[in-house]
This record gives sequence, C-alpha cells and structure tokens, in this order.
Amino acid sequence: GAVVSQHPSWVICKSGTSVKIECRSLDFQATTMFWYRQFPKQSLMLMATSNEGSKATYEQGVEKDKFLINHASLTLSTLTVTSAHPEDSSFYICSAGTSGTDTQYFGPGTRLTVL
Amino acid sequence: AQSVTQLGSHVSVSEGALVLLRCNYSSSVPPYLFWYVQYPNQGLQLLLKYTSAATLVKGINGFEAEFKKSETSFHLTKPSAHMSDAAEYFCAVSRSGNTGKLIFGQGTTLQVKP
Repeated sequence: GAVVSQHPSWVICKSGTSVKIECRSLDFQATTMFWYRQFPKQSLMLMATSNEGSKATYEQGVEKDKFLINHASLTLSTLTVTSAHPEDSSFYICSAGTSGTDTQYFGPGTRLTVL
Repeated sequence: AQSVTQLGSHVSVSEGALVLLRCNYSSSVPPYLFWYVQYPNQGLQLLLKYTSAATLVKGINGFEAEFKKSETSFHLTKPSAHMSDAAEYFCAVSRSGNTGKLIFGQGTTLQVKP
C-alpha cells in the first residue's frame, strides 16, 4: 500500500529557532500534499494544501510566513516552522494523494515541542 | 460548505459487544466520506471510504459503514469489539473527486473493556 513517512518523528527546539519537518511519499508520486496540526485530544486542523511545483494554499488563520511549505518534488514536501514559540508545540501530520484519486495517505506525524 | 459532527466524544463498549460510532455530515455537494483510526502518537489509517458507489461500505478490521443520504449519516459499526480496537476514530468529508481536502469531525475515543 501507499506509504508516507515523516522526519523527524519528534523534535524539541528552543523558542525563536526554526524547525523543518519532511514528508515523503515512499512508493507513489504525490501530486498533492496536505499539512495538518493536531492539539492534544483534538481533531486534525488543515493548515495548507501544496501541489508539486506550485505555491501552497493556506487555510484561513494560518500564517504563511510562519509556516513555510515547499513541495519541490512529487515525493517530498517540507514544512518549516519559523521563529517557533511554545504555542506552536503540537503534533504535525502530513498526508499525500495523487490527482484523480480520492484517498489521502497519512504520515505518522511529528511531535514538536518548543521550549 | 462541508462539516462533520461526531456524536459522542467517548464511547465505551465491552469486548465482544457491538461498536457503533456516529457521524453526521453536511455538504452542499455530493460528498465523499471517510473513517480513519488513530492510535496514540501515530498518524491516521484509513478504515473505509464512501465514494458514491455502494452505500454499505466494508473496511478493514471488520468495520463497515452505511451511507444514508436521507439522514445525512455515515455511522461506523463493528459486530464484535476487540481490545485492539481501542483508539481514536475520525469521520471526514471531502468534495467528490481529485483528492479534495478533508474536513474532520472532532473524533470519538473508543474504549474497549475486558
């Protein structure tokens, strides 16, 4: 089946630093990738949608300058949390899909803790 | 606009009992509907999906769901709960076709008692 990986699985950083999270589709080409954040015991909230080679589309209320998304290839998308603050601490999950299909495949998530 | 409501944030059943997790949706266009399961500190795994074909959808691990347009519902069931079914379950809706973005419900925690 379709496999999506994320790296790192967890990261701890100091306030004010930037953190990059990678999302890779391992056995298929992902024309579209999605980034979600999930607070403890809450649902997933879509942050942005990225299509390969295009600028990401951000959901309302998500700061595009703070959460930089790059989808440079059909198998890799990155989310960079810039100038991280403790309130950015969350579980970040990516998903990937292929144009023309209806299913997204989810990565295992990245736990970000900002001290 | 689309939305999903999961009735009951926490459901507890005994091992071997019927599992019923409720999901109601709102959509101005024909929806695609999904159920995902999430184990602690993990991503989401697709259980099953409805994409306008058969209204009764069978998924993995013995789960199934029935799309009822008249009731705008897509409830998830399993005849006999297993301890390993304990997890968080999310219902989601998307616009039909082309890997549309998913709108998730709030989630239901399923507890299975021995």
